[in-house]
Parts: sequence; structure tokens; C-alpha cells
Amino acid sequence: DAKTTQPPSMDCAEGRAANLPCNHSTISGNEYVYWYRQIHSQGPQYIIHGLKNNETNEMASLIITEDRKSSTLILPHATLRDTAVYYCIVSKPPRRGGGYNKLIFGAGTRLAVHP
Amino acid sequence: EAGVTQFPSHSVIEKGQTVTLRCDPISGHDNLYWYRRVMGKEIKFLLHFVKESKQDESGMPNNRFLAERTGGTYSTLKVQPAELEDSGVYFCASSQVAGAGFEQYFGPGTRLTVT
Repeated sequence: DAKTTQPPSMDCAEGRAANLPCNHSTISGNEYVYWYRQIHSQGPQYIIHGLKNNETNEMASLIITEDRKSSTLILPHATLRDTAVYYCIVSKPPRRGGGYNKLIFGAGTRLAVHP
Repeated sequence: EAGVTQFPSHSVIEKGQTVTLRCDPISGHDNLYWYRRVMGKEIKFLLHFVKESKQDESGMPNNRFLAERTGGTYSTLKVQPAELEDSGVYFCASSQVAGAGFEQYFGPGTRLTVT
């Protein structure tokens, strides 16, 4: 799986947009970009994923560059509850006849949202 | 819909003892994954079940770890005998369909302390 690079920490003011960058310059053409987060002492939580196009759901938006070598997770209106470690993960597609998408976690970005 | 549940939430055992962790995936999810985070390290994949079959156990650290999923429902992870370096948080996750594009739902984890 492709390696990802994220800043170790970021700060964001409550109510403002949090933009978390991720570099995945060695991504293959058929690999997906996933974002998960882990709020203190809880299990990781899925946020969003994408392949080529930008994606949006009720939690966040995912912007993937045209060359797919980087992406940005956007939390449009960060709240104190968004304080967590955010993981950008690149995962291979399923193999022929079925497959799996084990997640390879890096160190992530520790986002601190402050009042 | 109930989420992924894990039992116990916390276990403290002495070195050399045996511990069994249990995971109940979301109903209907054929895919079940085990991960763990040991102190100061990143979350690491351990193994993946598709129903009752082990699809990938490349992350199992050694033969002191035994995972089972009889009947393709809940799974157990046994550590026998436990060593100090086994201390950490063990997460279970499940997904409806294996492969890229399908998120994994994580349980709250079992915190294992080996003294």
C-alpha cells in the first residue's frame, strides 16, 4: 500500500474550517484514499473515502488533486468534539475473486480544536 | 443497529497467563478484522476473517496469538501465554463487503495490560 505523509499536529478554532492535508505521491491508479479519525480512547471512526473525484458527506469533504498525489480533508465547521487524531490511508482495491482492504495506519495528524 | 462490540473493555493479567478477547461484529458483516496498538506505536493490522475463514493473518505477531471465528459470527483472540509486550489496545472491526470502497466499523477496543 502507498505510504502517506501527514503533519503531526494542527490547531483549529471552533467554528472555522479545518483543512487536513495528506501526501500520497506513490499512489497507484486504482487505490482509494480513506480518512479515519480516533477520538481519545475510542475505536477509529470512518469519515470519508474517494478515488478520483471530490467527495462530500455529512461529516466532511475530501478534495483529491488531479494527479491524485495529495488530498485534503475538510471539516467545514470544526467543533470541540472534532478534536482527534486523523488518519489518511491509501488502500488497494480488491483482488480478483474477492479481497480485503486491511488498513495501514500511520501516525496521523493530531487536530486540536480550541474555543 | 448495534455497532461492533468488544469484551472485556479492560483486562489486567500477569505475564504467562492466558487471555481471550471477544468481538461481536455488526450483524450481517462477513468481514471481521483485528488490529492492535501497543504503547507508543501505530495501529497495526493483525488478521482478517471472511465468515469463518482466515483471509489474511500476515499481521499476527507470533504463535502465542490464536484467532477464531467459529460459525462466522463472533470472533475470539486468545493470547497464550501473555508477555509484557502484548500490552496495548486491541480493536476489532467489521465491514459488509471486503475490498476498497467499503468502510470498516471499529469497536471500542479492549485494553490489555500484562504485568
